[in-house]
Amino acid sequence: KQEVTQIPAALSVPEGENLVLNCSFTDSAIYNLQWFRQDPGKGLTSLLLIQSSQREQTSGRLNASLDKSSGRSTLYIAASQPGDSATYLCAVEETSGSRLTFGEGTQLTVNP
Amino acid sequence: GAVVSQHPSWVICKSGTSVKIECRSLDFQATTMFWYRQFPKQSLMLMATSNEGSKATYEQGVEKDKFLINHASLTLSTLTVTSAHPEDSSFYICSVQRGQGHKPQHFGDGTRLSIL
Repeated sequence: KQEVTQIPAALSVPEGENLVLNCSFTDSAIYNLQWFRQDPGKGLTSLLLIQSSQREQTSGRLNASLDKSSGRSTLYIAASQPGDSATYLCAVEETSGSRLTFGEGTQLTVNP
Repeated sequence: GAVVSQHPSWVICKSGTSVKIECRSLDFQATTMFWYRQFPKQSLMLMATSNEGSKATYEQGVEKDKFLINHASLTLSTLTVTSAHPEDSSFYICSVQRGQGHKPQHFGDGTRLSIL
């Protein structure tokens, strides 16, 4: 059974700092990995999707990497802003279908 | 604009009542819809996968008679929590998918369910 772990559970940084969020998964037989953002009491917004054959994806200040063989992914946020404050979830999609397994998330607070 | 509409966004009701949550796909016909549950400070857990016109597939440990899912059309799925109890209080989120297999899921804004 796939298990996804995210470290740290919570992170508080001053504005402008670069930061890294970590995600690990136990079964490397994945189709893709996604990073989502969740604001309090809201649904999920997809940030980046990395296919299993890819090593990284970039969107603006966000960069996600994937090392499938070691079961790890990182989300790098450059020059953090207070508006980045949210919970960040990673999820892996299994190869046999579209089932997503989520980590418990990292709650990020960026202080002005 | 929003791809998925989930209603209601928040509901409070007494123990023993049944609660229906709607999930609508606004932009496309959703062959597949998913229902997730999220407890505070925890991750999303898949409850069931719903394909239009067929019975939902429930994840292990999810009671199908407790959580009734109806996917009667390609744009609407409903989740009914029957005889709800305080332990059913949670955040319920749906997602929609165009087609089956490896297609993106688009998530609703969730429903906060509080059972007194």
